[in-house]
Amino acid sequence: NAGVTQTPKFRVLKTGQSMTLLCAQDMNHEYMYWYRQDPGMGLRLIHYSVGEGTTAKGEVPDGYNVSRLKKQNFLLGLESAAPSQTSVYFCASSYPGTGYGYTFGSGTRLTVV
Amino acid sequence: AQSVTQLDSQVPVFEEAPVELRCNYSSSVSVYLFWYVQYPNQGLQLLLKYLSGSTLVESINGFEAEFNKSQTSFHLRKPSVHISDTAEYFCAVSDRRNAGNMLTFGGGTRLMVKP
Repeated sequence: NAGVTQTPKFRVLKTGQSMTLLCAQDMNHEYMYWYRQDPGMGLRLIHYSVGEGTTAKGEVPDGYNVSRLKKQNFLLGLESAAPSQTSVYFCASSYPGTGYGYTFGSGTRLTVV
Repeated sequence: AQSVTQLDSQVPVFEEAPVELRCNYSSSVSVYLFWYVQYPNQGLQLLLKYLSGSTLVESINGFEAEFNKSQTSFHLRKPSVHISDTAEYFCAVSDRRNAGNMLTFGGGTRLMVKP
């Protein structure tokens, strides 16, 4: 009963380094999402996917790329990390259609120094 | 596009007292409404949601929220809080026609229950 698993849980990067955050879900959900959480700003959508092989931009996509090569996995990449990308990143998944709630992962705390 | 405003960033309350966490939204289309709870160092969990029908919805742990269309609000209430309710609470909306089921979140309200 893993649900949504995010790796790693913590990471410190130097400015300019790259990294990939992995999200894996075992609920056969069609839709997957990446959000970032910053104090006082709630969660903001970075990118999302409505199915294997498809991705789309959310509210704050700049500086990030994503891939959904397999239905169960959704990867978030930072090509050249900046201090402004210091945040907690959450992956979520849901059934297709509207009105469904999300299942969230436990988050990745990323610090860029 | 939608927006969500949670009017209080922090709400301190004593144990067994009632509490209301306020949420207002703005949207030009019909929406679904959600409340999520985030305990320390965890992801968000769905607390309750309004899709249609009765405007009062309840969760299994005693919270309730009422959809008020005229005031575009979805306030969360509990008549008697426990220490274990200490957490951050997020209100969220989605466009009923949104094929991608994207949620727009408010800034969060930190509920601090004191003994």
